[in-house]
Amino acid sequence: GAVVSQHPSWVICKSGTSVKIECRSLDFQATTMFWYRQFPKQSLMLMATSNEGSKATYEQGVEKDKFLINHASLTLSTLTVTSAHPEDSSFYICSATYTGLAGGPTDTQYFGPGTRLTVL
Amino acid sequence: GQNIDQPTEMTATEGAIVQINCTYQTSGFNGLFWYQQHAGEAPTFLSYNVLDGLEEKGRFSSFLSRSKGYSYLLLKELQMKDSASYLCAAMDSNYQLIWGAGTKLIIKP
Repeated sequence: GAVVSQHPSWVICKSGTSVKIECRSLDFQATTMFWYRQFPKQSLMLMATSNEGSKATYEQGVEKDKFLINHASLTLSTLTVTSAHPEDSSFYICSATYTGLAGGPTDTQYFGPGTRLTVL
Repeated sequence: GQNIDQPTEMTATEGAIVQINCTYQTSGFNGLFWYQQHAGEAPTFLSYNVLDGLEEKGRFSSFLSRSKGYSYLLLKELQMKDSASYLCAAMDSNYQLIWGAGTKLIIKP
């Protein structure tokens, strides 16, 4: 249980274009979804936290207008990188949490496989 | 401020035991998580401790001391596939995870 998927796994795009990344919880309803970015050999950096039906909470230094997050349902959140530039090239990872599911501690974050974005 | 400290890199031999330490300072505390991350992949959940003591799960065990702000992950009977980064993360009073930079574990034959 607690499987999270991400699509696409990798994407290459031209500078100035927008890229949408989907994050889905496949076998549970996610109360909260998180979006992270990870540069090579660095730790995870939380970008934003989102709850279904409400606006995402962005971490300091993360541009809301550049990284658009939509959390339309309890199983789907999307991250859109608008007007992407080479410096946005990174590994983007989503995670999801649920409460009350037997067999696991609450608030455990289960991660999707990640999306590797390369902006040319 | 909030902070997580763990060693940057450790090396161990196949079949041996290794202990990865983590110290934390957070505003409030709601548990300590350990994740494993292989190169180029997303993290996978290993363990969660919120009470003092040792939690054993197969070859992996995790220990917590809340009074000392200290945890460790113990890996026994090391296998080559255990080569990965191990991330320590503490949950603060707002249920936000504070992440360590990760410990890269290198297993040698």
